[in-house]
Amino acid sequence: DIQMTQSPPSLSASVGDRVTITCRASQSISSYLNWYQQKVGKAPKLLIFAASSLQSGVPSRFSGSESGTDFTLTISSLQPEDFATYYCQQSYSLPLTFGGGTRVEIK
Amino acid sequence: EVQLVQSGAEVKKPGESLKISCKGSGYSFTTYWIGWVRQMPGKGLEWMGSIYPGDSDIRYSPSFQGQVTISADKSISTAYLHWSSLKASDTAIYYCARALTTVITGSDFWGQGTLVTVSS
Repeated sequence: DIQMTQSPPSLSASVGDRVTITCRASQSISSYLNWYQQKVGKAPKLLIFAASSLQSGVPSRFSGSESGTDFTLTISSLQPEDFATYYCQQSYSLPLTFGGGTRVEIK
Repeated sequence: EVQLVQSGAEVKKPGESLKISCKGSGYSFTTYWIGWVRQMPGKGLEWMGSIYPGDSDIRYSPSFQGQVTISADKSISTAYLHWSSLKASDTAIYYCARALTTVITGSDFWGQGTLVTVSS
């Protein structure tokens, strides 16, 4: 199985901050990396697919990038509704695997 | 509008059987893979397996193979997740999710989740 390691596990940030979350794959996964946002008590929501493609309806302050086996989700200016847990997921091979999550909290 | 609507919360005892459901609407149910994802209390997301309702092709995660059964009834646009003998460790929220394209892809639409509680 491909292991996905997310960092940091949690972070505190203020509204307007630029936030970066990283996900590292245990092997090459090309660009087969997706990012999800999950709010408390809700289902996950797809933000980014194929490493950098913005899902329809997702605000442009969210962006994704890659460098080798390292992937980054960036929120350019954190908004109140962005406080949530974020997960990466590789879709290069089965079984699909998720990172452990990054909880974004209010500072 | 694409929707996945899951069955309601369940409380079961260890050893009991259970089947939960996920009904799709607003799209061609037979042409998209549907996956199941487990989220244990306070924990992350785990992919369990997926089914292609068009021909009932099923792929399981090795971690869940033999522990659950995934099925679908395309005549009523519904996918299922079945346990023959529940354990306390099956307590979790279970989500169904539609795959973007193939089985190996992200999921663009999710059900609301079904909470399964297994306790004696």
